[in-house]
Amino acid sequence: GENVEQHPSTLSVQEGDSAVIKCTYSDSASNYFPWYKQELGKGPQLIIDIRSNVGEKKDQRIAVTLNKTAKHFSLHITETQPEDSAVYFCAARIYNQGGKLIFGQGTELSVKP
Amino acid sequence: KAGVTQTPRYLIKTRGQQVTLSCSPISGHRSVSWYQQTPGQGLQFLFEYFSETQRNKGNFPGRFSGRQFSNSRSEMNVSTLELGDSALYLCASSLADGLATPYFGPGTRLLVL
Repeated sequence: GENVEQHPSTLSVQEGDSAVIKCTYSDSASNYFPWYKQELGKGPQLIIDIRSNVGEKKDQRIAVTLNKTAKHFSLHITETQPEDSAVYFCAARIYNQGGKLIFGQGTELSVKP
Repeated sequence: KAGVTQTPRYLIKTRGQQVTLSCSPISGHRSVSWYQQTPGQGLQFLFEYFSETQRNKGNFPGRFSGRQFSNSRSEMNVSTLELGDSALYLCASSLADGLATPYFGPGTRLLVL
């Protein structure tokens, strides 16, 4: 079945540095890739998403890139701030499987002031 | 627009009991998906409902069931609770089509003693 691998599991950066989280998916029929941020005691919050017909998408300090050939996608956060500290999840959705998302294991990002 | 709401937020049950969790989707959203989140297994898909019909199902035992009402509100039920059912149960809603973005609620934290 579909599998999503996410790395690293933990990431610590200094405030102002960039952070990169990488995910690899197994099913080439995957066509939608959202990223979620989860803070303690809260549900996952969508921060950015990308569809398979697009290679890159940016939203202020956040960007996502997709390489369909290699079946991997990455989250880039620039100019990190302490409030970016949270657990980040990547996910993939397979075409023709409705709303079902397959999630990576998560990355705990810590931004030190 | 109000976000996805889930009730109750916290629940304590004992082994062998059953539990019902409720989810109200974002207004206009007709698809509701349920996920189980645990530290060991991460976020795992339980099932998805659309127009009162189960559209997709994950790999969980039959003790886990759900339903959706005509107003798109959804409930999930877990019968004969086991200690391993302790988890954060998350509901996500999206528009009807398979390209829509899922938005998560805050979750229901279930503790089974």
